Amino acid sequence: AQSVTQPDIHITVSEGASLELRCNYSYGATPYLFWYVQSPGQGLQLLLKYFSGDTLVQGIKGFEAEFKRSQSSFNLRKPSVHWSDAAEYFCAVGAPDTNAGKSTFGDGTTLTVKP
Amino acid sequence: EAEVAQSPRYKITEKSQAVAFWCDPISGHATLYWYRQILGQGPELLVQFQDESVVDDSQLPKDRFSAERLKGVDSTLKIQPAELGDSAMYLCASSLDGDYGYTFGSGTRLTVV
Repeated sequence: AQSVTQPDIHITVSEGASLELRCNYSYGATPYLFWYVQSPGQGLQLLLKYFSGDTLVQGIKGFEAEFKRSQSSFNLRKPSVHWSDAAEYFCAVGAPDTNAGKSTFGDGTTLTVKP
Repeated sequence: EAEVAQSPRYKITEKSQAVAFWCDPISGHATLYWYRQILGQGPELLVQFQDESVVDDSQLPKDRFSAERLKGVDSTLKIQPAELGDSAMYLCASSLDGDYGYTFGSGTRLTVV
C-alpha cells in the first residue's frame, strides 16, 4: 500500500523568503502525486499534480514541485512567500494500478508566515 | 465556479446519538468520496462511489457508519451511534470520473460530547 511522509509538522518563514515543504512517498510503481492547501476550517484546494512527463510541475498561486524518483520525493517550493500563504499543506499519493481515484494523504505541514 | 456542497457546516451531538451528513457533488461528477480528517492528521478515505455503486469502503467502520448515493448524485453519510472518537472533519469530494481531479467541499465539523 502507498504511504506519504511529511517530515516537517510546522514551518515558519518570513514574508518574501523562499519556501520548501518536504514530501516523501512510498509506492512500488510510478505514483500520481499531489499537493493540496487547506485554510482553517475549510476544505482542501488542489495546488498541483504530477502524473508523468516533466518532473518539474507548475501549480497555482506561484507554487511548483519537483518529482525525484531516486529520492522518492515530491517537494513543494515557492520563491517568495506571501502572508496569505499561511495555511496547512498536504502531500498526497495516488496509486493508479490499484484504486483509480483514491489518494493517500500525509499528515500535513503547517506554514506560518512572519511579517 | 462549481462547488461541492456539504451540510451542515458544524454539528455537535451527544455520544450514542445518530448523526447524518449530506453532500451534493459538482454536476456531472460520477465519482464521490467521503474522507475523515482527525485534527492534526491528513484526510483518510472512508468510502468511494462510482455513480451509485461503492468502489472502496475498506476503511469505513461498518458497524456504525453507513453511506449511500441512491441516485448517483448526492450522498449521505450516517453514524449511529456516535462515539467520542468520531469527532473530526468530514470532507466530501468529487471528480469527473475517478481521475484524481478532486474538488473538495468545505466539510462538516463534527463534535461528539
